[in-house]
Amino acid sequence: DTGVSQDPRHKITKRGQNVTFRCDPISEHNRLYWYRQTLGQGPEFLTYFQNEAQLEKSRLLSDRFSAERPKGSFSTLEIQRTEQGDSAMYLCASRTTVTSVVVGANVLTFGAGSRLTVL
Amino acid sequence: RKEVEQDPGPFNVPEGATVAFNCTYSNSASQSFFWYRQDCRKEPKLLMSVYSSGNEDGRFTAQLNRASQYISLLIRDSKLSDSATYLCVVNTGNQFYFGTGTSLTVIP
Repeated sequence: DTGVSQDPRHKITKRGQNVTFRCDPISEHNRLYWYRQTLGQGPEFLTYFQNEAQLEKSRLLSDRFSAERPKGSFSTLEIQRTEQGDSAMYLCASRTTVTSVVVGANVLTFGAGSRLTVL
Repeated sequence: RKEVEQDPGPFNVPEGATVAFNCTYSNSASQSFFWYRQDCRKEPKLLMSVYSSGNEDGRFTAQLNRASQYISLLIRDSKLSDSATYLCVVNTGNQFYFGTGTSLTVIP
């Protein structure tokens, strides 16, 4: 499978627990984005990486959220001390900025998402 | 002001109808534009990019008006399988901004 993979697909946790999501982007893609989506809303930007460097974080991203992409390949998004308001779909997307290599380079490709429910 | 604004609908149309969705964006420096389709509880998937000259892909036509900062999507001869949420997406710098999505239900 050459698409974007996310794991786990579903996570149910109790308030106060920590959760971690993993994203494996398309291998040729140097940029990786995390979004959060709640019912009836469009995806909301959280953070993005170019290779291993985290270049931008949303002001919405509280200090309970941390993301890494240590080797410029897969990424993890950790939420500490989860709250009920964290319940959402967490979407990962990737793209390449190398326009000469890949057709449609500026296009985001999404993974299937990780759905978090905090009880 | 939101970066991207869309009418959330819902749009309920009979099979075979033509339906149009509109979207406005706030930043005149935005450089790329897209329509994504999202099925219930699934991830967004690219439907089509939107080019300045307008572009068509089968029953789907996308238009961009940079002066008015307006994007549209026209679906002709609607099929039941077109039922989904359609997301307007605007690329500004390194960011991709999403509208709230417009819900379409095609009725037999």
